[in-house]
Amino acid sequence: AQSVTQLGSHVSVSEGALVLLRCNYSSSVPPYLFWYVQYPNQGLQLLLKYTSAATLFKGINGFEAEFKKSETSFHLTKPSAHMSDAAEYFCAVRLGGTSYGKLTFGQGTILTVHP
Amino acid sequence: GAGVSQSPSNKVTEKGKDVELRCDPISGHTALYWYRQSLGQGLEFLIYFQGNSAPDKSGLPSDRFSAERTGGSVSTLTIQRTQQEDSAVYLCASSRGLQETQYFGPGTRLLVL
Repeated sequence: AQSVTQLGSHVSVSEGALVLLRCNYSSSVPPYLFWYVQYPNQGLQLLLKYTSAATLFKGINGFEAEFKKSETSFHLTKPSAHMSDAAEYFCAVRLGGTSYGKLTFGQGTILTVHP
Repeated sequence: GAGVSQSPSNKVTEKGKDVELRCDPISGHTALYWYRQSLGQGLEFLIYFQGNSAPDKSGLPSDRFSAERTGGSVSTLTIQRTQQEDSAVYLCASSRGLQETQYFGPGTRLLVL
């Protein structure tokens, strides 16, 4: 079964510093990968998604993710953190076969940005 | 345009009571999903509907949970004889089709006392 693993349940950075949130997937076929963000007491908002024929994907709020097949990774980065980036981030994979519509989520990473 | 809406936003109930949670998808979206977010289990899939096809119920944790989607639009998730472990945030999402991006509602926070 396809799954995703997010390394680090909490990440803390200074404002202006690089943000790196890690996601690794397990799949034997090209996966459909997503990053969602959840602000306190809100639903999930799509940050970016993987589409074929590319390796670098740009999303909203200055975030981007690089797909590395050799490392089975889809890490999320942002060059310079802003206080408003503080939220919980989820990596997700869409299953295939008979479970085509389901999203399987990682455990989430809480990002804290301090002045 | 309007996003996915859910009601109520918060629900407190007593153990053993039945609850109904409502989801209004984005107009024109044929697929509708329910997920549950809890401290112990993270985000987990419950059920999805796609057009007129039979729903995929494989994520429902017990037969106390059921869902229906009337007229291909609004959906109701029903939990019978609620238990304390049912306390969670229930998220609804919709998409144009199963291969399309899922857009989430704000969720219903359920607390079972």
